[in-house]
Amino acid sequence: GENVEQHPSTLSVQEGDSAVIKCTYSDSASNYFPWYKQELGKRPQLIIDIRSNVGEKKDQRIAVTLNKTAKHFSLHITETQPEDSAVYFCAASDGFQKLVFGTGTRLLVSP
Amino acid sequence: DGGITQSPKYLFRKEGQNVTLSCEQNLNHDAMYWYRQDPGQGLRLIYYSQIVNDFQKGDIAEGYSVSREKKESFPLTVTSAQKNPTAFYLCASWDRYNEQFFGPGTRLTVL
Repeated sequence: GENVEQHPSTLSVQEGDSAVIKCTYSDSASNYFPWYKQELGKRPQLIIDIRSNVGEKKDQRIAVTLNKTAKHFSLHITETQPEDSAVYFCAASDGFQKLVFGTGTRLLVSP
Repeated sequence: DGGITQSPKYLFRKEGQNVTLSCEQNLNHDAMYWYRQDPGQGLRLIYYSQIVNDFQKGDIAEGYSVSREKKESFPLTVTSAQKNPTAFYLCASWDRYNEQFFGPGTRLTVL
């Protein structure tokens, strides 16, 4: 089955810096890669996703890149703000059954 | 919090007691999921259902049971066979073409 690895487990940056979180997946059939943000005690919420027919997707300060050959995808947050502090999860899916999640990255943005 | 609701928000279980967590969605999604999240951990899949009257075990199904008698509802029972049930339980639904939505979660504590 699919296996998703996520790094780093924690990431501390200064406000205004960029943050990058990386994930690798094992199943070449996976074609959908969402990223979720989870604040303390809250539900995960989708912040951006990408499908395998696209190499990069941007939404304001957030971007995701996908390298199908290497089976890895990354989340990029530019101009980080304190409200970006949260746990971020990547996931992968073959599109018809279930999502497999990474173990999460705790992002801390210091003012 | 429209879309997916979970109840109760907090639940306390005594040793040897079965408890049922409720999950209801009005998104008309075919697929529904139950995840367990432990402190500082990722999301682990307990059970999922892609259609009414059918469900499959996830990665950590032992000690849990589910039913899917209606499209809108996917209750999870934590049985006495689950020896360490204290965790945050998240229900989700997915229509395959859009994002997987999460409910607000139920925090279960064993007394």
